Amino acid sequence: AQSVTQLDSQVPVFEEAPVELRCNYSSSVSVYLFWYVQYPNQGLQLLLKYLSGSTLVESINGFEAEFNKSQTSFHLRKPSVHISDTAEYFCAVRRAGGTSYGKLTFGQGTILTVHP
Amino acid sequence: KAGVTQTPRYLIKTRGQQVTLSCSPISGHRSVSWYQQTPGQGLQFLFEYFSETQRNKGNFPGRFSGRQFSNSRSEMNVSTLELGDSALYLCASSLAGREDNEQFFGPGTRLTVL
Repeated sequence: AQSVTQLDSQVPVFEEAPVELRCNYSSSVSVYLFWYVQYPNQGLQLLLKYLSGSTLVESINGFEAEFNKSQTSFHLRKPSVHISDTAEYFCAVRRAGGTSYGKLTFGQGTILTVHP
Repeated sequence: KAGVTQTPRYLIKTRGQQVTLSCSPISGHRSVSWYQQTPGQGLQFLFEYFSETQRNKGNFPGRFSGRQFSNSRSEMNVSTLELGDSALYLCASSLAGREDNEQFFGPGTRLTVL
């Protein structure tokens, strides 16, 4: 089984400041890693994913995450946040291989609040 | 291309009743997964359907069931509702068949049990 721990339930930051949302996972098998964002009263949107290859993955809106296998982490970072980044962020894992295509295991979420 | 749609968006039921939620995946997507989101338990996987067959199942009681139709639309049913079933129920679809297929989520159905 897999588990995901998001180390911060809430992260307040000022606009244009850098931010890091921390995610650690536990799994006895290889996994794929994801970050999703949820805006109020909406579903989840994929922000970025790590499947294989380069351990640093980037999104189109300036977020990046680095897969660290030795530390079993997949922290999300942005060098300069905007008010519009205020949302809840979820880290998730999915078992690689087998037939677990549609089964994601999520962390508890981190509420990012960007203040002007 | 239209996204994942879920109906209804909001639902109020009383304890003991049953409820059916519907999910229409993105055209061409054959896999549909359901998740329950609550403030206390977070996002939890309910089940996944692929080609009308349940492929994966989470740790929920038998009161939670689902099915998928030949057009890939999916329904989930909760019988004998309990107060703790109040949640946002999210549906996600994917092409399936490849491990790197992305899951696309619908806006959810917010169920309130009184």
